[in-house]
Amino acid sequence: DAGVIQSPRHEVTEMGQEVTLRCKPISGHNSLFWYRQTMMRGLELLIYFNNNVPIDDSGMPEDRFSAKMPNASFSTLKIQPSEPRDSAVYFCASSTGLTNEKLFFGSGTQLSVL
Amino acid sequence: GNSVTQMEGPVTLSEEAFLTINCTYTATGYPSLFWYVQYPGEGLQLLLKATKADDKGSNKGFEATYRKETTSFHLEKGSVQVSDSAVYFCALSDQRSSASKIIFGSGTRLSIRP
Repeated sequence: DAGVIQSPRHEVTEMGQEVTLRCKPISGHNSLFWYRQTMMRGLELLIYFNNNVPIDDSGMPEDRFSAKMPNASFSTLKIQPSEPRDSAVYFCASSTGLTNEKLFFGSGTQLSVL
Repeated sequence: GNSVTQMEGPVTLSEEAFLTINCTYTATGYPSLFWYVQYPGEGLQLLLKATKADDKGSNKGFEATYRKETTSFHLEKGSVQVSDSAVYFCALSDQRSSASKIIFGSGTRLSIRP
């Protein structure tokens, strides 16, 4: 089992550019989560999906952020246009979706917006 | 809403010292409680969990007991090692929605001196 796979590992971009982060969950997992981690705000849940359907996107900071899950094996988080305050580590995690089951995290994408 | 509060770090200890990291929660119903650990440059991984009151979760010498009367889930270890240096997150499951999601505390950075 390859675990949760995120790409790219690092992304450096300029303010105003579009950024797309990618995630492949563990095969068979029904729930997928996007988190953002910063020193100031800690670990924030942005959005999560169950069976490819967005369940709760209340953590998405603003309209510049969007997330999709077109199928069970792929999800994207897009920021357009990006701003320096979006600089953070973005984690994707997946789980079976069953009650009390643990999350499996990817290694994260370190995003720097200059 | 549901939330988790944990002691602020950083916590610095000498090797073989006793460790306690405090965690309290606010929740409706009966959430499951978790401790996750994040090693440098990696995503979070589950350390231990407890699913009902008075349960004790344990792993790698770490323990935490689900205390409903004090709404706490403090992490303890009798003798820490340098390899325990990491960031520790207390978390609970929010089961009000159609799919379970995990809410994390702000994290406590632990550094162990040789």
